[in-house]
Parts: sequence; C-alpha cells; structure tokens
Amino acid sequence: QPVLTQSPSASASLGASVKLTCTLSSGRSSYAIAWHQQQPEKGPRYLMNINSDGSHSKGDGIPDRFSGSSSGAERYLTISSLQSEDEADYYCQTWGTGILVVFGGGTKLTVL
Amino acid sequence: EVQLVESGGGLVQPGGSLRLSCAASGFTFSTYWMHWVRQVPGKGLVWVSRINSDGSSISYADSVKGRFTISRDNAENTLFLQMNSLRAEDTAVYYCAAGVSYWGQGTLVTVSS
Repeated sequence: QPVLTQSPSASASLGASVKLTCTLSSGRSSYAIAWHQQQPEKGPRYLMNINSDGSHSKGDGIPDRFSGSSSGAERYLTISSLQSEDEADYYCQTWGTGILVVFGGGTKLTVL
Repeated sequence: EVQLVESGGGLVQPGGSLRLSCAASGFTFSTYWMHWVRQVPGKGLVWVSRINSDGSSISYADSVKGRFTISRDNAENTLFLQMNSLRAEDTAVYYCAAGVSYWGQGTLVTVSS
C-alpha cells in the first residue's frame, strides 16, 4: 500500500499564505490524493482532489483561497489570505489496492 | 444539504459488541462507496472499512478483520458497522464517509471495564 508523509506542524501569520506538502512513497508518483481539513472538535471536511498533473477539483463550498498543485511525488495544498478559522489539522489521503483508503499523519496548522 | 449522522457509540466492556449506524441524506446514497474511519482522540485518521455501492465488495483494515462487519441498506440510506470482540484499542471516534467527499461528525466508542 502507498504511504503518505506529512510534516507534523506548520505555522503562518494571519493574512499570509502557507503551502502544505504531502509526499507519496516511492513508485507512487502517479497517484491522486485528496486533502481534508479537520477543525478542532469537528469531523473532517473534504477540500479537494489533486491529480499527478496538478489538476484538482474542490469540494462543495471550498473557498478560492484553497488551491492544490503537484510536483513528482509531492502534492501541495496552498492556503492564501489565512484566516483564523483555517487553524486546523490537514490530512492527505490516497487509495491503495482494492480502493482501500490511506491517510497521512496530518499537519497541524497554526495561524499566528 | 448533505448530512451524515452517526449513532450507536457509547461505553462497552472489553469483549462486548456495538452496532454503529450512519444515516445519510441530501445525496444519492446508493451510488456512493461508503467508508468507516476512526480517530483516537488527539491522533490521526485511520481507515477501518469500506463497502461498494451495492454491498457486493467489502474490505477491512487488518486490525478489525474478523471482528467488524460493514453493511448498508440502500432503501433506508443507512450504513452500519457491527463491532464484536471489542478491545481497548478500538476506543476512538468513528466517522462514516461517503466516497471521502462527505463526512459525518462522528460517534465516540469507548471500550473499558
């Protein structure tokens, strides 16, 4: 099964931009991934899918401030014009053999 | 509005059973692959099980294989997770997800004596 690696934490200032990275394990650079946001004490929320060519499709109601991109085995989530409500855990996720779901360890984003 | 509402969680003794339900509305439930995902408080998301749209294909994480059973009722727009032989390490918030595009708010399962 694929393995997804995320930095445990990230921080950026209110109004600034931040780029979160999700790295696919060796040999999996063609895999699509999804990003999910989990605000404190809430269930996860789907943000977007990102394909290996960088094309992405967002979930319902996701603001334009959220965008995705790709380079090799890395998938990125960029959040611009950071707001306080963007402080959350961000998980990347992909699909293994048999449509099994694999999650990265998550990145805790702090908005300063 | 899409809604997934989990229920059935609670406190159970080791070796006991629980049945979780997930009531879906606001989308065509019968066309979605459905998943159960769990999260130990303060830790990350862990996939538990999935079922395809008509229930003919099912998979489980190794940690729950042989103890948990996923099922669905497309007529009632409801997903289930029967959990048997529960262990302390099954303690978590359990989320249902529709194709990982939609998520519920979760139900807490605590396995403790």
